[in-house]
Amino acid sequence: EVQLVESGGDLVQPGGSLRLSCAASGFSFSTHSMNWVRQAPGKGLEWVAYITSTSSTTYYADSVRGRFTVSRDNAKNLLYLQMDSLRAEDTAVYYCAREGMADEVMDVWGQGTTVTVSS
Amino acid sequence: AIRISQSPSSLSASTGDRVTITCRASQAVASYLAWYQQKPGEAPKLLIYSTSTLQSGVPSRFSGSGSGTDFALTITYLQSEDFATYYCHQYYDYPLTFGQGTKVEI
Repeated sequence: EVQLVESGGDLVQPGGSLRLSCAASGFSFSTHSMNWVRQAPGKGLEWVAYITSTSSTTYYADSVRGRFTVSRDNAKNLLYLQMDSLRAEDTAVYYCAREGMADEVMDVWGQGTTVTVSS
Repeated sequence: AIRISQSPSSLSASTGDRVTITCRASQAVASYLAWYQQKPGEAPKLLIYSTSTLQSGVPSRFSGSGSGTDFALTITYLQSEDFATYYCHQYYDYPLTFGQGTKVEI
């Protein structure tokens, strides 16, 4: 079964750091580009970051560029999101999502992990 | 960034109804337009990609259409399990963007 499982979400103070992980299984992780997408409470979906299969290219939303870093370990089938200088507006459910091979759409999503930034 | 305007933001419907949700992109996105369904507490689920291609396992009552900047999702014969929030999404260019969502309520 193709599966993505996020972890690492927590309550953190403003200015703090957190690292999210996304464990992939059931498919060839090393051949797929990956994304992080977030959803603030009661709000819509916001794309956060993208990384190619070989980590050669990364893209970020303006709202997180310079504070968040996406990375991956293909040997361990893991995707990461390092989040620094966290702000209240970063509070959200964070999803990892796979980019499909046949089409570049995000076709498989994890169940999400919750990040709360509050003092 | 490509902005997407989705309408309506919410709608009330009954089982058996035909429902159409529209999205307009601020610039042409070719066919790189997808639709997702999200139920409370769940992750988004891909319904349609490449404007009109049905994702495997998605019922045929869902269909997508459009081109350039104007797109639509149609649900024919609405079922109880279809009450959810729907998002359109352009993956033509980064930053990837989503519509604001349409909540389909009973």
